[in-house]
Amino acid sequence: DMKVTQMPRYLIKRMGENVLLECGQDMSHETMYWYRQDPGLGLQLIYISYDVDSNSEGDIPKGYRVSRKKREHFSLILDSAKTNQTSVYFCASRSGTGGYEQYFGPGTRLTVL
Amino acid sequence: QQQVRQSSQSLTVWEGETAILNCSYENSAFDYFPWYQQFPGEGPALLIAIRSVSDKKEDGRFTIFFNKREKNLSLHIKDSQPGDSATYFCAAMSSNNRIFFGDGTQLVVKP
Repeated sequence: DMKVTQMPRYLIKRMGENVLLECGQDMSHETMYWYRQDPGLGLQLIYISYDVDSNSEGDIPKGYRVSRKKREHFSLILDSAKTNQTSVYFCASRSGTGGYEQYFGPGTRLTVL
Repeated sequence: QQQVRQSSQSLTVWEGETAILNCSYENSAFDYFPWYQQFPGEGPALLIAIRSVSDKKEDGRFTIFFNKREKNLSLHIKDSQPGDSATYFCAAMSSNNRIFFGDGTQLVVKP
C-alpha cells in the first residue's frame, strides 16, 4: 500500500522556536517535495529533493531548510519560526523513473503564535 | 507569472448536473496535466490526468477535455454527487520534476 506519512499532524509553536516537520514514504521514490497551502493560494512549492542530499529551492524557500539523509525520509526545518509561517504543510513524493503522479501526505497544520 | 490558472475559485451545482471546471496554462512545454481532488483535512489525491498528445480522457463520471492550441483544459464531472464536493486543483508538468498547480476550485454540489 503506497503511503506518504507526516508527523506531527498538528503543531503549535511560539515565534522564534525551531520547528521540525517529518515526512516518510514507503515507495522508494526518488523525488520528494514540500509545499505549503494557504487559503486561496493553492499549493506553493518550498523545496524539491531529487534524492539523498540533492535538494533544490522551490518558489518560496526563504525561512525554510530541508534535510534528506535517507531516500524514504524528508524533513522540513524552520529555524526561528515566524507567525507568517502558520500554514498547512504537505509533503509529496514521486517516482523518478517515468511516473508522473505525486502522492501527498495528510498534511501538518502548523500554528506559530 | 502564474503558470496554471483556474478560472473560478468556487462553483456550485445541483446534484445530477454536470460541473465544469476550467483551467489554462502558460508553458507550451507542459505535457502532462493532472487534476487533483482534495477533501477538507486531507492531502490532494490524483483524480484523473491527460497527456498533451490526447484531447480527451474519460474515467467514469470524470472527463478531461484538452485543447493544446488554446492552452486550456476543462474537467467535466457528470451527474455530480454531494460526495464530489471538494477542492479541485488543475496542474501541469513537464519532464523536469516540477509540477505547477492552479489555485484550486472549490466545488459544492447541493442535494
